[in-house]
Amino acid sequence: NAGVTQTPKFRILKIGQSMTLQCAQDMNHNYMYWYRQDPGMGLKLIYYSVGAGITDKGEVPNGYNVSRSTTEDFPLRLELAAPSQTSVYFCASSPPDNSPLHFGNGTRLTVT
Amino acid sequence: ILNVEQSPQSLHVQEGDSTNFTCSFPSSNFYALHWYRWETAKSPEALFVMTLNGDEKKKGRISATLNTKEGYSYLYIKGSQPEDSATYLCAFPPGGTYKYIFGTGTRLKVLA
Repeated sequence: NAGVTQTPKFRILKIGQSMTLQCAQDMNHNYMYWYRQDPGMGLKLIYYSVGAGITDKGEVPNGYNVSRSTTEDFPLRLELAAPSQTSVYFCASSPPDNSPLHFGNGTRLTVT
Repeated sequence: ILNVEQSPQSLHVQEGDSTNFTCSFPSSNFYALHWYRWETAKSPEALFVMTLNGDEKKKGRISATLNTKEGYSYLYIKGSQPEDSATYLCAFPPGGTYKYIFGTGTRLKVLA
């Protein structure tokens, strides 16, 4: 059971480049989340989804886009990378109840 | 977006000491509160799901309590060990949603 899989593990982008962070889960979880880890600030919610075709903004959505075409996949798109988007990004999933979130191993992104 | 507050921000204790941290959240429309343990270079892992006022959960030397009327939860560690060193996060979904917002965490360092 792979759980939540994030790719790539590391990436360096130049300012203005675009990329997609991939997230896939094999637990048939309805809910999926993207968080970023900011130093001293814990985890900030970027976007979340309660099911295929349904997404909603979190605390810090600016500069990001998401889509949810299947239950399994929840990619996060950065269109015009900026240094402020340098962070570690975590994807998570959960069933549609109060069960805890299952996290992927994170993607470390540097924008220079 | 609401604020989930955690205190203290960081804590150094000696091996064998007992310690506790606080998570504060808005007391209206309570649904659930999660506690997570987050080791450096790893992903957050769930400790407890708290749902009812007066809840008390325990896992080994770690326990948690919940007061939904006044909007706080305590996490206790009895007889701290160096392997307890980690950041402890709480997460709370506002307004009965599944949009889990994390506190900034309490960074615990247990000195041998």
